[in-house]
Amino acid sequence: GIQVEQSPPDLILQEGANSTLRCNFSDSVNNLQWFHQNPWGQLINLFYIPSGTKQNGRLSATTVATERYSLLYISSSQTTDSGVYFCAVERAYKYIFGTGTRLKVLA
Amino acid sequence: NAGVTQTPKFQVLKTGQSMTLQCAQDMNHNSMYWYRQDPGMGLRLIYYSASEGTTDKGEVPNGYNVSRLNKREFSLRLESAAPSQTSVYFCASSAGAWGTGELFFGEGSRLTVL
Repeated sequence: GIQVEQSPPDLILQEGANSTLRCNFSDSVNNLQWFHQNPWGQLINLFYIPSGTKQNGRLSATTVATERYSLLYISSSQTTDSGVYFCAVERAYKYIFGTGTRLKVLA
Repeated sequence: NAGVTQTPKFQVLKTGQSMTLQCAQDMNHNSMYWYRQDPGMGLRLIYYSASEGTTDKGEVPNGYNVSRLNKREFSLRLESAAPSQTSVYFCASSAGAWGTGELFFGEGSRLTVL
């Protein structure tokens, strides 16, 4: 089956710093999403981005489907950005998740 | 608009007991999913229903059964619970049939098997 790898696995930032999270996938996909799992366990939709670039406030995402990767940019990080960031790819009627990037933002 | 609703939110079982996790969505979505998340890990797909009337195995189906009761509801059953099934279970749905469209999650059900 398709493999989804995220890097880095862990990231610690000072408040105000910028970061880039990466998602690589091993085969062509139909859709790709980024999620934030907050410290309470809720999964929050960030981007639905099968290709191209989208921005939402301090967050933006780019997917280059032909090269099989996606990037999530977080600018001017805040403590509320802490949690785990997952990418998920859709292929053959189902979404498969990466193992996540655990982000901690220090005040 | 509740989105995806899961019940119960917490459950403790003894080994060998059975239970059913319920999931309902009010977004008129066609596809529904059950995932499990173990501590420090990502989400693994248990079963999915790509359209009303169909169900298929995901990555980790052993020990589970599912029923797509109607377009709104998708239940997950543990027939004989084992400690290895201690996990947080998430239900999700997407608008398109056959997996297309944005995925939306419920708040999760935390299951402990003693």
